Amino acid sequence: GNSVTQMEGPVTLSEEAFLTINCTYTATGYPSLFWYVQYPGEGLQLLLKATKADDKGSNKGFEATYRKETTSFHLEKGSVQVSDSAVYFCALRTDTGRRALTFGSGTRLQVQP
Amino acid sequence: NAGVTQTPKFRILKIGQSMTLQCTQDMNHNYMYWYRQDPGMGLKLIYYSVGAGITDKGEVPNGYNVSRSTTEDFPLRLELAAPSQTSVYFCASSSKGQGNTEAFFGQGTRLTVV
Repeated sequence: GNSVTQMEGPVTLSEEAFLTINCTYTATGYPSLFWYVQYPGEGLQLLLKATKADDKGSNKGFEATYRKETTSFHLEKGSVQVSDSAVYFCALRTDTGRRALTFGSGTRLQVQP
Repeated sequence: NAGVTQTPKFRILKIGQSMTLQCTQDMNHNYMYWYRQDPGMGLKLIYYSVGAGITDKGEVPNGYNVSRSTTEDFPLRLELAAPSQTSVYFCASSSKGQGNTEAFFGQGTRLTVV
């Protein structure tokens, strides 16, 4: 079956630090990959996505590259802000069957001023 | 744009009580989903629907029921609440497209069973 593994949190960084959150996956077929963000007290919002190998998704300074050879989709940002404090979820979705998202366990990011 | 709307936002239930979590979307999406989010865990799929009149079980369906009489609405029913159902519940929807289409989430319902 499909599964997503992401690094444990919380991750605590100072403002303007570099961020990496690791994500690896197992899937049958060729999944699409997503990063969702959940701000305190809110639902999940799509941050970025990539639909095929070597695609790079980007949004709000965040980037992630779909690496089929290492089955990874690591999230990066060059300079984090306090407002980036949230929980980040890596997820995958396949074109067949239920087409539901399979999520990782989430990584909480805390950015200190 | 309302998107996906869930009600209520919070609820406390006693063991054995029942309730329905409401979910409605105004984007004419075919696919709808119910997830639960436990502390420190990712979201687990409870039930899903690929269109009106069609529902199916996800990973953790026990203790829940759903119906999909219209495209817009996808209520989740808890018949006999148990402490293990204390969780945050999210409804989501997506269009009938390829796997890369975005799923839109509601704000969540925080349920506590005591």
